[in-house]
Amino acid sequence: QSALTQPASVSGFSGQSITISCTGTSSDVGSYNFVSWYQQHPGKGPKLLIYETRTRPSGVSNRFSGSKSGNTASLTISGLQAEDEADYYCCTFVGSDASHFVFGTATRVTVL
Amino acid sequence: EMQLAESGGGLVQPGGSLRLSCAASGFMFRDYDMHWVRQGAGKGLEWVSSIGAAGDTFYAGSVRGRFTVSRENANNSLYLQMNSLQVGDAAVYFCARITRSDAYDLWGQGTMVSVSS
Repeated sequence: QSALTQPASVSGFSGQSITISCTGTSSDVGSYNFVSWYQQHPGKGPKLLIYETRTRPSGVSNRFSGSKSGNTASLTISGLQAEDEADYYCCTFVGSDASHFVFGTATRVTVL
Repeated sequence: EMQLAESGGGLVQPGGSLRLSCAASGFMFRDYDMHWVRQGAGKGLEWVSSIGAAGDTFYAGSVRGRFTVSRENANNSLYLQMNSLQVGDAAVYFCARITRSDAYDLWGQGTMVSVSS
């Protein structure tokens, strides 16, 4: 089972908006609405940002939003802040013999 | 406060064994499916194994037959027995709680496993 494809890096100036894509196939992202997104700062465990493709857990800033079109899910960060500088991962259930869940290839967000 | 805390990592030679533990607190551990996810040095996240609230287990193909996941609800603990360790198994291992929406809403800080001769 191949990892979902994300851009290796995305950057933006403070206050701007950026979007991270997560491309899979019709067998995973395209057919399943339970895509989740995670933020990971160096040396820390990941933090859930979005679940069910577009739902924010309680306590997560509304600057984070999720969407999906076809086989590609997206995470948008609005009003970029210095604290948003981190690695971001998408994830979805695949249920294959090789793996039940697959993560994206990670995107490093840099705030300029 | 809900927490997960992994332990048991360390340095082991190829072919060796380690048992990781994950202590849960602040929530009804027995009600949740629990997963192990690992992250190699400088690499992304990789799903390893899961155990359901009912005890059903699943494994990634790369570890099936070598790793065994188990849980002890009375002690709010999750375990990962890792045998026949390979260099490619070296990683930080995280335990994580999963919701009914297939999202990991609670993670530990991770425990590092190194495999080297």
